Amino acid sequence: ETGVTQSPTHLIKTRGQQVTLRCSSQSGHNTVSWYQQALGQGPQFIFQYYREEENGRGNFPPRFSGLQFPNYSSELNVNALELDDSALYLCASSLDGASSGANVLTFGAGSRLTVL
Amino acid sequence: GDSVTQMEGPVTLSEEAFLTINCTYTATGYPSLFWYVQYPGEGLQLLLKATKADDKGSNKGFEATYRKETTSFHLEKGSVQVSDSAVYFCALSEAGNTGKLIFGQGTTLQVKP
Repeated sequence: ETGVTQSPTHLIKTRGQQVTLRCSSQSGHNTVSWYQQALGQGPQFIFQYYREEENGRGNFPPRFSGLQFPNYSSELNVNALELDDSALYLCASSLDGASSGANVLTFGAGSRLTVL
Repeated sequence: GDSVTQMEGPVTLSEEAFLTINCTYTATGYPSLFWYVQYPGEGLQLLLKATKADDKGSNKGFEATYRKETTSFHLEKGSVQVSDSAVYFCALSEAGNTGKLIFGQGTTLQVKP
């Protein structure tokens, strides 16, 4: 059973640029969630994708967008990068996120984004 | 809105000491509660969970009991090991099953031999 894999592991961008982060969900999981973890803080929910549609969103502006593909993998896109976007971006997959009462998530190791 | 508050760290203990990491929450409805652990350079791993009041979650010697009357979910372990050194996050899932977890700020545990 493969876990959640994310790419790239580290990247550096400059203010105003755009970035795409990728996530492959755990085998058998059909739901993907994205979280932003600033240094020394707990993860903050960005959004969740279920059946290729956004299914819940946290307090993040529209320049944070995502996609889910038929194979359940996902992308997180951030436009017009700001310095405060520097963080660890975590992808998590689960089974039937819209209906699971326990919401047990399997996390990837994350993509570390630095914005200069 | 819903929130989770954890005791501030870092917590430094000697091997075989007793561990408690406090966690309290504010929520409407009846959330599920979780403890996740993050080892250096790795993603978060589910440590244990409880889905209703008075449930006790347990795993790898760690325990936590869902206390609705005190809105708490404190993590305990009777005898810590150096390998338990990590960052521990308390979290809740909101009622409504959106898949959104709300995390506390994390507590760093360092266990010295």
